[in-house]
Amino acid sequence: EAGVTQSPTHLIKTRGQQATLRCSPISGHTSVYWYQQALGLGLQFLLWYDEGEERNRGNFPPRFSGRQFPNYSSELNVNALELEDSALYLCASGSGGGAAETQYFGPGTRLLVL
Amino acid sequence: AQSVTQPDIHITVSEGASLELRCNYSYGATPYLFWYVQSPGQGLQLLLKYFSGDTLVQGIKGFEAEFKRSQSSFNLRKPSVHWSDAAEYFCAAEKGGSQGNLIFGKGTKLSVKP
Repeated sequence: EAGVTQSPTHLIKTRGQQATLRCSPISGHTSVYWYQQALGLGLQFLLWYDEGEERNRGNFPPRFSGRQFPNYSSELNVNALELEDSALYLCASGSGGGAAETQYFGPGTRLLVL
Repeated sequence: AQSVTQPDIHITVSEGASLELRCNYSYGATPYLFWYVQSPGQGLQLLLKYFSGDTLVQGIKGFEAEFKRSQSSFNLRKPSVHWSDAAEYFCAAEKGGSQGNLIFGKGTKLSVKP
């Protein structure tokens, strides 16, 4: 069974541009979670989507947004990129429900903002 | 505020020696608890999880963890470390209540001496 996949593996952008990151969950999973792993800041929760709806949001500005498609894949969009957005962005999937569910992580997309 | 603390930033052990990685949580009630491992440039792999019941939890790769409510701890152990265990280890907690997001500790980097 295929795990969580993310694309691209690496992304280089300049300040002010927009970045789009993609995630495909494990087959049968309906929830997608996004996390940012920035140097010195650790892993921080960004967004949670389940059944196409945004269910929870971390403490990030509105220029971080996303969506979940009918096939449960997801996009994370970061607008007006800033240098401090450089980080590894991890996607995880789960079987839905949020509480007490195990999240399975993908390999991540490394975003570099110049 | 809810938090997860991993007091040790970096630990070095000799191959074949035993290992204990510390994790403490601060929550109003017992959260759901997880240990993940991250190899360089990789995503997170789930080692084990605790939801309820038996306080000693067995995981993959020979790891185990013990939940101690009185100490608000969930320490990870392995009786004999292998060179391939060198990686970064993250303790995480989820409060429950369908918020979905994991709160991670800052991680402990494990180095293994031959």
